[in-house]
Amino acid sequence: QVQLVQSGAEVKKPGASVKVSCKASGYTFTGYYMHWVRQAPGQGLEWMGWINPNSGGTNYAQKFQGWVTMTRDTSISTAYMELSRLRSDDTAVYYCARGIAVAGTGYFDYWGQGTLVTVSS
Amino acid sequence: SYELTQPPSVSVSPGQTARITCSGDALPKQYAYWYQQKPGQAPVLVIYKDSERPSGIPERFSGSSSGTTVTLTISGVQAEDEADYYCQSADSSGTSHWVFGGGTKLTVL
Repeated sequence: QVQLVQSGAEVKKPGASVKVSCKASGYTFTGYYMHWVRQAPGQGLEWMGWINPNSGGTNYAQKFQGWVTMTRDTSISTAYMELSRLRSDDTAVYYCARGIAVAGTGYFDYWGQGTLVTVSS
Repeated sequence: SYELTQPPSVSVSPGQTARITCSGDALPKQYAYWYQQKPGQAPVLVIYKDSERPSGIPERFSGSSSGTTVTLTISGVQAEDEADYYCQSADSSGTSHWVFGGGTKLTVL
């Protein structure tokens, strides 16, 4: 069965970087784009971008361009999301989610369990 | 950047019908998707391609589309349907950027 297992909670100081991992199993890792979505406490879902695990190509939401880096290691079926120059309002649960492309858009069919990143001095 | 607009909250009594709308300029050109999220859990897809229901989702969940607005309808609402609901789509400008609506809190009175 498809599973996305994320790394554990992180506590970071403002200005630091964080790297969250997402290990995929139960399907061909390179066959589906991996997206990252975040959710601040009590707030809505925010799409951050995607990575094509096959080519390594990425597409980031405008808000995160220059600030987020998505990578992957196909040898261990793992995607990574690194966010730099953290601020307190980056405190959120970060999810990886498998994307199914449909005619210019698409949807998420499987989600990781979420990783809480807390930014605090 | 492209935005999808949802009402912040909808309230219904058990057994009634709940309707949650989502508006966006690109919705006539792009499919919309709906997710249900309960506290402490990851979202779950309840409608895809405007009106299709994934396997395992109860028949009381349905979706429709008209112009720049898509609607999630929950018929015969049950207490277990109380949750946050998000629409999701993409802009039509060729950026391949996906976007979520702000979310709607469904309260079952």
